[in-house]
Amino acid sequence: QKEVEQDPGPLSVPEGAIVSLNCTYSNSAFQYFMWYRQYSRKGPELLMYTYSSGNKEDGRFTAQVDKSSKYISLFIRDSQPSDSATYLCAMSETGGSYIPTFGRGTSLIVHP
Amino acid sequence: KAGVTQTPRYLIKTRGQQVTLSCSPISGHRSVSWYQQTPGQGLQFLFEYFSETQRNKGNFPGRFSGRQFSNSRSEMNVSTLELGDSALYLCASSLGQLLHFQETQYFGPGTRLLVL
Repeated sequence: QKEVEQDPGPLSVPEGAIVSLNCTYSNSAFQYFMWYRQYSRKGPELLMYTYSSGNKEDGRFTAQVDKSSKYISLFIRDSQPSDSATYLCAMSETGGSYIPTFGRGTSLIVHP
Repeated sequence: KAGVTQTPRYLIKTRGQQVTLSCSPISGHRSVSWYQQTPGQGLQFLFEYFSETQRNKGNFPGRFSGRQFSNSRSEMNVSTLELGDSALYLCASSLGQLLHFQETQYFGPGTRLLVL
């Protein structure tokens, strides 16, 4: 079992829908949680990061972390066709070095 | 400001050969990290270079090596290529060393390597 599990999808939704993307993890030492977006033929770009548990909102994007359940989520409101991409979660421990562990990514398709 | 550039973008090699990939970070960035991305394993951390020294290393065999030059440009070398090395190799740069999550990494477009 991988340390970080993420459903590869694809997840297909109509424009305007609320999208929920999720990851589960097994390493209780993970403290930093990130979401990246990767368009086809491009490198990943950081969308959001959070520390420990709680919510963080940035525009149409909300990241949630539930450390008790080892579960993180990214919500996208009012989804647009331009949101069509692969979304990768990543997480890391603390303590002097940072080696991120990534999920395999969820492919999201938002159709008009 | 120019982004992270990687050369070449595509490469075809045969088993047993070696390959060198190049990465130029964003101007002013001193940390360069390398990642391997495959459909089966996803994105996996290879190593990080900061001030010409390897600072962190992922769980990859010694066939994977790298270096960083005084201008922060970095190269990654894979020797004795195996079929399983076929992947997208991504380079990411950041201002400082990856000690804190606040160090935002900026990824290049990657080099797609096919080993036949």
